[in-house]
Amino acid sequence: DADVTQTPRNRITKTGKRIMLECSQTKGHDRMYWYRQDPGLGLQLIYYSFDVKDINKGEISDGYSVSRQAQAKFSLSLESAIPNQTALYFCATSEGDSANTGELFFGEGSRLTVL
Amino acid sequence: ELKVEQNPLFLSMQEGKNYTIYCNYSTTSDRLYWYRQDPGKSLESLFVLLSNGAVKQEGRLMASLDTKARLSTLHITAAVHDLSATYFCAVDILRAQKLVFGQGTRLTINP
Repeated sequence: DADVTQTPRNRITKTGKRIMLECSQTKGHDRMYWYRQDPGLGLQLIYYSFDVKDINKGEISDGYSVSRQAQAKFSLSLESAIPNQTALYFCATSEGDSANTGELFFGEGSRLTVL
Repeated sequence: ELKVEQNPLFLSMQEGKNYTIYCNYSTTSDRLYWYRQDPGKSLESLFVLLSNGAVKQEGRLMASLDTKARLSTLHITAAVHDLSATYFCAVDILRAQKLVFGQGTRLTINP
């Protein structure tokens, strides 16, 4: 089983619908991230959380919200989806201690299509 | 604002040849990461470079970091088809543990 699990893996929805992407991890890492990938643009950071009580905006947080329900769970919500939010979304984790190398470990991705 | 630029963005090469992918970044950092992504798949960590002059090698791939030049290279030696993928570099500013990614280099290796 994957250490970082994302659900759903694929989702097609309509403009204006609320969508939640979920991420859970068994790595025991404190830090969790949501990235968005668009062709030719690399990955852009949406939100990140360094522990359960810590939530921070990334480069492209507008139109998104997150919830850190537990150390192992970090959800991304689109309150009212729009077509330009069609993308591949990745959850990632990293360790939280002072020896942390900063290396990210990625889930398998959630492909979202907004019609 | 940190910018991370890779070049080339697309690279088609023949098996057996050598080539280098470049990753330039605009702000001081001593932490750089290389990832591989196969089509439709997740990102797999290749190298973690944590200091100036760091060099790491795995099989036909070798990565290096020059923090003074703000440059990392990913060198491919005697390419084989299995190395076809998109390669991303990412930089961590001020050890904030928020990685900024380059655009990716799509590498195609032809028999």
